[in-house]
Amino acid sequence: AQTVTQSQPEMSVQEAETVTLSCTYDTSESNYYLFWYKQPPSRQMILVIRQEAYKQQNATENRFSVNFQKAAKSFSLKISDSQLGDTAMYFCAFIHMDSNYQLIWGAGTKLIIKP
Amino acid sequence: DGGITQSPKYLFRKEGQNVTLSCEQNLNHDAMYWYRQDPGQGLRLIYYSQIVNDFQKGDIAEGYSVSREKKESFPLTVTSAQKNPTAFYLCASSVAGQSYEQYFGPGTRLTVT
Repeated sequence: AQTVTQSQPEMSVQEAETVTLSCTYDTSESNYYLFWYKQPPSRQMILVIRQEAYKQQNATENRFSVNFQKAAKSFSLKISDSQLGDTAMYFCAFIHMDSNYQLIWGAGTKLIIKP
Repeated sequence: DGGITQSPKYLFRKEGQNVTLSCEQNLNHDAMYWYRQDPGQGLRLIYYSQIVNDFQKGDIAEGYSVSREKKESFPLTVTSAQKNPTAFYLCASSVAGQSYEQYFGPGTRLTVT
């Protein structure tokens, strides 16, 4: 079975600090995408960053970057210069491209940015 | 502005009643999805539809039903057979064959008492 595990239920850091959220996944397939989604208190689900498994280069989007370790099946999210608006639930998700196109989600990490 | 709308934002029903959640998109997407979110859990797929007049069950379809009569609309009915219907429901859509890029609506919080 394909699973996504987020081992940190909650984290908090001071504003402007850097924080890393962990995600591991389990699959026997080779063609897949990984995602980090953000869900702020409004509960709108927002795509933060996406990584294609065939790409060795880690994806970056402004202050957000990932550390994709394919052999270790690890996909962590680093947020640099954290801002109060980064306070949200963060979900790691996975989709296998060659089968049922179903997103598999982790349980989420609650991130609190303190002023 | 293109996007996905879900209405209402909050919905209250008595146990034993069926209730229908609305999802409309004007992104011209072929594929649409319904997810359920419970506290401390990730999203779970209820139903998805890749094309009009066709849909497939997800992991937790029991007690739910859908229809896809129009490309823009994918309503979800929570029936009285659903044992624990109180949850947050999210609708999403994507270009056909590009389910790796799903766009989400604002969600509906359903409370059944």
